[in-house]
Amino acid sequence: KQEVTQIPAALSVPEGENLVLNCSFTDSAIYNLQWFRQDPGKGLTSLLLIQSSQREQTSGRLNASLDKSSGRSTLYIAASQPGDSATYLCAVRPYGGATNKLIFGTGTLLAVQP
Amino acid sequence: ETGVTQSPTHLIKTRGQQVTLRCSSQSGHNTVSWYQQALGQGPQFIFQYYREEENGRGNFPPRFSGLQFPNYSSELNVNALELDDSALYLCASSLLDRPSGNTIYFGEGSWLTVV
Repeated sequence: KQEVTQIPAALSVPEGENLVLNCSFTDSAIYNLQWFRQDPGKGLTSLLLIQSSQREQTSGRLNASLDKSSGRSTLYIAASQPGDSATYLCAVRPYGGATNKLIFGTGTLLAVQP
Repeated sequence: ETGVTQSPTHLIKTRGQQVTLRCSSQSGHNTVSWYQQALGQGPQFIFQYYREEENGRGNFPPRFSGLQFPNYSSELNVNALELDDSALYLCASSLLDRPSGNTIYFGEGSWLTVV
């Protein structure tokens, strides 16, 4: 059974700091891994998608890596800003079954202090 | 702006009642799925619809049911509401054709409180 874990559960950093969020999964049979951002009480905003054949993706100050063999992904945020404060969720799309099925971690709550 | 819209945004129901939540998928997307997110947890997959038929289901009882319409809009119905059904319900859409490369887009969700 696929399980997704995110560490740390919460993180508080001063503005301008670079930071890394971690995601691990137990089964490497995945189509892709997707990182999302969720603001309080809101829906999910897709940040980056890494296909299983890829090693990393970049968008602006965000860089996500994927090591499928070890079951790990990291989201790197450069020069953090108070507007980055949110919950960050990673999710894997496993092979087989419903292809829109994502399995999520419980998220990392990030607070960037001005 | 993801192009996925949900209604209502908030609602309160009494235990034992029934509720219908609605979703309009992003234009061109042929697959819609629904998720339940309890407070402090990650979203949990409820089910998926493709071409108006359910083609995948998570670990949810039959009182959770759905519909997908020809215009790719969708409904989630929950019967015999229980207190534990209180959660944020998220609708997501994508194209089924390329699961490896297609981003799944989520709506803003519907907050359901059961009292």
